[in-house]
Amino acid sequence: DSGVTQTPKHLITATGQRVTLRCSPRSGDLSVYWYQQSLDQGLQFLIQYYNGEERAKGNILERFSAQQFPDLHSELNLSSLELGDSALYFCASSVAGSLGGVRADTQYFGPGTRLTVL
Amino acid sequence: AQSVAQPEDQVNVAEGNPLTVKCTYSVSGNPYLFWYVQYPNRGLQFLLKYITGDNLVKGSYGFEAEFNKSQTSFHLKKPSALVSDSALYFCAVRGLLRNTGKLIFGQGTTLQVKP
Repeated sequence: DSGVTQTPKHLITATGQRVTLRCSPRSGDLSVYWYQQSLDQGLQFLIQYYNGEERAKGNILERFSAQQFPDLHSELNLSSLELGDSALYFCASSVAGSLGGVRADTQYFGPGTRLTVL
Repeated sequence: AQSVAQPEDQVNVAEGNPLTVKCTYSVSGNPYLFWYVQYPNRGLQFLLKYITGDNLVKGSYGFEAEFNKSQTSFHLKKPSALVSDSALYFCAVRGLLRNTGKLIFGQGTTLQVKP
């Protein structure tokens, strides 16, 4: 158990709908990362938050957005869902306690949310 | 641009034999390299990382990895494979942008350990 929790485990929805995925980082971790795992794209970085602020963006679609709350949990919002959005969405967290140490610290992954868009 | 390549989609090895899962990287500057393992229907579990120092890095579950700068490789190894090691293995490199932590992953290698 990594200490990172994600809810829900599974989500089945229809095209055009909107869903929210939730992540709670490990205790003490300030950074949260979101990744998408799909068969055709592999594991892709979406977005990173550090202590409530957006730190980096990857290939995240405009239909997707995220935020990190004062208690450090994070939510990934996916809207106008398409069939191709079906994937496993992972959240990871790391300490990132100092700016210089960000590259060296380890990311710990949650169990993921499997999204199926029908 | 930074990238990671895992040249083998699948590696098959008999239980008790040594195993190697290959990874090569392309990055300017000093790389920060990671190995993760994914069991079916589970998240990624951290195995080990190379930041600096000794080229042989020891990690969880008896795994180790050898950093080779001249060959730009970071192969994962284990002296004696177990059936329970069968899983999907990912090599990753940390992105270079200052103060961002994104990981760039290889496509993954499925390890099959047969009894």
